[in-house]
Amino acid sequence: DAKTTQPPSMDCAEGRAANLPCNHSTISGNEYVYWYRQIHSQGPQYIIHGLKNNETNEMASLIITEDRKSSTLILPHATLRDTAVYYCIVSFPSGGSYIPTFGRGTSLIVHP
Amino acid sequence: DTAVSQTPKYLVTQMGNDKSIKCEQNLGHDTMYWYKQDSKKFLKIMFSYNNKELIINETVPNRFSPKSPDKAHLNLHINSLELGDSAVYFCASSQSSGNTIYFGEGSWLTVV
Repeated sequence: DAKTTQPPSMDCAEGRAANLPCNHSTISGNEYVYWYRQIHSQGPQYIIHGLKNNETNEMASLIITEDRKSSTLILPHATLRDTAVYYCIVSFPSGGSYIPTFGRGTSLIVHP
Repeated sequence: DTAVSQTPKYLVTQMGNDKSIKCEQNLGHDTMYWYKQDSKKFLKIMFSYNNKELIINETVPNRFSPKSPDKAHLNLHINSLELGDSAVYFCASSQSSGNTIYFGEGSWLTVV
């Protein structure tokens, strides 16, 4: 079972920031928070990940609360092409048998 | 060059047939996965294959069998296809379990 919970859907106006929340209250100390998105009819695509500190890359920013029980993915200037399902997962990098499990994600619709 | 490639992209076949979906990754990763995404869009892990160790999701029928001739390939063979097998199958890879996952574009299987 997925260790994360996300709202099933959100919408955002084009050009505005999209803030997608994720709860992971049972996250372990060595588990990272990963975000992926799936644009319709395509394979899921990696966006960003983090452990404790906030992270930023060319696609998005990731804000992780101090207790690590929740996080927010921020798309600073959403475009119509950002319409997709966004998945938040927790994952433990290892050489063993850890299996990344996806939940149902958040369907983000960016409207004009 | 496509990092994770799957063939065929589309497959329509009759019930009872046996079919295979091939997957290749050129990222040098040591871990590969198969995910199934059904009509409800739930992305479900089927198998994880790490350094010749196969991790099977126990809910997957034994009609599904992954075969890995080497670390760059993980093929999915399905025996006695059923209507409920109709779905999109995604191959993916990562460097060790739990690290960033790179997905293929999916194989659309329709059983009639």
